[in-house]
Amino acid sequence: GQNIDQPTEMTATEGAIVQINCTYQTSGFNGLFWYQQHAGEAPTFLSYNVLDGLEEKGRFSSFLSRSKGYSYLLLKELQMKDSASYLCAVPDSNYQLIWGAGTKLIIKP
Amino acid sequence: GAVVSQHPSWVICKSGTSVKIECRSLDFQATTMFWYRQFPKQSLMLMATSNEGSKATYEQGVEKDKFLINHASLTLSTLTVTSAHPEDSSFYICSARDLEGREQYFGPGTRLTVT
Repeated sequence: GQNIDQPTEMTATEGAIVQINCTYQTSGFNGLFWYQQHAGEAPTFLSYNVLDGLEEKGRFSSFLSRSKGYSYLLLKELQMKDSASYLCAVPDSNYQLIWGAGTKLIIKP
Repeated sequence: GAVVSQHPSWVICKSGTSVKIECRSLDFQATTMFWYRQFPKQSLMLMATSNEGSKATYEQGVEKDKFLINHASLTLSTLTVTSAHPEDSSFYICSARDLEGREQYFGPGTRLTVT
């Protein structure tokens, strides 16, 4: 089967850096997605990793290690608007997304 | 980027009535659309996968006769909640996968409240 684990909640300070981890177990691997979801809204795409390594996109970076079944999302220069849930997801063999429970990120001034 | 719309964005209906939610891919063709449901403070739960021109594939525990899905074209899928009950009140989100099949683009969601 497939299983995805990520922390339930994290707290960070405005202007700081935070790393949200995600571990996964899949029978095959078709990449890993990170989505951001603000309360009451649909998820928005942040990143897609299929190869090992770090991919940087502005203040957000995503890292993948396929051998370890591990990914993290790195958020720099945190802003209050970054307060949201961050969802890790992996597609199964039919490309249906299997979702983690999400990490609620709380940003404090 | 690709845009997916949903209509309506919110709806309030009485128990026992039916509600139709539309999901449209505005600037791309989507052979596959997904319907999710999200209860407060919970993660997204896949309800069904909708393929253009064929019957939807429902996840375990989702009643296909209650949640009717029609994917009549490459840009439109509809979800009809039949005989709605208060426990069906939720946030319903659709997503569409482009022909390359890599990324899913999400609609803005429809908040359904059944009274």
